Amino acid sequence: KQEVTQIPAALSVPEGENLVLNCSFTDSAIYNLQWFRQDPGKGLTSLLLIQSSQREQTSGRLNASLDKSSGRSTLYIAASQPGDSATYLCAAGGGGYSTLTFGKGTMLLVSP
Amino acid sequence: GAGVSQSPRYKVAKRGQDVALRCDPISGHVSLFWYQQALGQGPEFLTYFQNEAQLDKSGLPSDRFFAERPEGSVSTLKIQRTQQEDSAVYLCASSLGLGQVYEQYFGPGTRLTVT
Repeated sequence: KQEVTQIPAALSVPEGENLVLNCSFTDSAIYNLQWFRQDPGKGLTSLLLIQSSQREQTSGRLNASLDKSSGRSTLYIAASQPGDSATYLCAAGGGGYSTLTFGKGTMLLVSP
Repeated sequence: GAGVSQSPRYKVAKRGQDVALRCDPISGHVSLFWYQQALGQGPEFLTYFQNEAQLDKSGLPSDRFFAERPEGSVSTLKIQRTQQEDSAVYLCASSLGLGQVYEQYFGPGTRLTVT
């Protein structure tokens, strides 16, 4: 059974810092790895999807990498802003129907 | 275009009541997923539809949980005889297809509180 772990559970940084969020998964037979953002009381917003054949994806200040062999993905956020404050979830897509297995998330607080 | 919508956004039920949660996926999306998110946890898979066919219901926690998508678009998750442990946010997601290239798009969720 796939298990996804995210470290750290919470992170507090001053505005402008670059930061890395970590995600590890136990079963490397994944279809893709998706990063989401969740604001309090809201649903999930998809940030980046990395296909199993890819190594990384970039969108604006966000860069996500995938290393299937080691079971790891990282989300890099450049020049963090207070508006980046949210919980970040990674999810490994796999199984017969591409169902997502989620980590518990990293709660990020960026202070002005 | 419109995203995934869910209704109601909030539902309070007394223990033992039946509830029905609705999901409207993005138009044209073949795949529809239901997830349950307990407080402080990541979402957990409940069930999957491809068009109107329920192909995976391995995540449904008990036979009190039932889901349907009769015309391959709108889906309803029904919980019978609700229990306190059913309190959670229920998230619906849809995607255009299956496989590594397809993102899942999530709705805002329905927060169910069982008292």
